[in-house]
Amino acid sequence: DVKVTQSSRYLVKRTGEKVFLECVQDMDHENMFWYRQDPGLGLRLIYFSYDVKMKEKGDIPEGYSVSREKKERFSLILESASTNQTSMYLCASSSRTYEQYFGPGTRLTVT
Amino acid sequence: QKEVEQDPGPLSVPEGAIVSLNCTYSNSAFQYFMWYRQYSRKGPELLMYTYSSGNKEDGRFTAQVDKSSKYISLFIRDSQPSDSATYLCAMSGTGGFKTIFGAGTRLFVKA
Repeated sequence: DVKVTQSSRYLVKRTGEKVFLECVQDMDHENMFWYRQDPGLGLRLIYFSYDVKMKEKGDIPEGYSVSREKKERFSLILESASTNQTSMYLCASSSRTYEQYFGPGTRLTVT
Repeated sequence: QKEVEQDPGPLSVPEGAIVSLNCTYSNSAFQYFMWYRQYSRKGPELLMYTYSSGNKEDGRFTAQVDKSSKYISLFIRDSQPSDSATYLCAMSGTGGFKTIFGAGTRLFVKA
C-alpha cells in the first residue's frame, strides 16, 4: 500500500511566522505535489516536483517555497505566514498521470 | 472561466437511489478523466479513471466521458450511507502530471 504521511494534522501559527510542512512517501514515486484545498475552490496546485532538487510552480505559488532534497520527502515552506494562507494543505505523490496518492492533510490556521 | 466546473452541492439522497455527479471542462487537451472520493478529515483517493471517451464500470460505479460536449459523469447505483463523501472530478493531459481538480460535490446518503 502506498503511504503518504504529513508531519502534522493540525497546526496553528501566528502571522509572520515561518512554517514548514513536511510530506514523506514510501513508494519511490518521482512526482510529488503540494495543494491547498478551500471550500468552493477545490484543490489548487501550489508546487510540484518531478525529481530530487527539481521543482515547478503550480497555479498559486506566491508566498510559498518548496524543497526536495531526497526522493521520498517534499517540504512546503511558508516564508512569512499570513491569514489568507489558512487552509487545508494536501501532499500527493504519483508515478502515473491518472493517479495521485494523497496524504491525510494538514489543517493550518494562521492567526 | 474555470477549466473545470463542478456543482458543490450538497446533494442529499435516500439509500438505494441512483446518484449522478457531473463536471464540465473547457480544455480539449484533457485525455485522462478521474473521480476521487474524499471522506471527512481524509485525503482524496482515486475511485475511477477513464482514458479519452467512453464508459467504464466498476461495481456500483460507472464513469462516462463525452468529449464532444466536454462533460463527464459519475453514476452510483444502489447508493449506501458509506458513499457519503465529497466527490472530486479531475482531469489531465498526456504531456505531464499536472492535474486539474473540480471543487468537489458533497454527497449525503440517508439511511
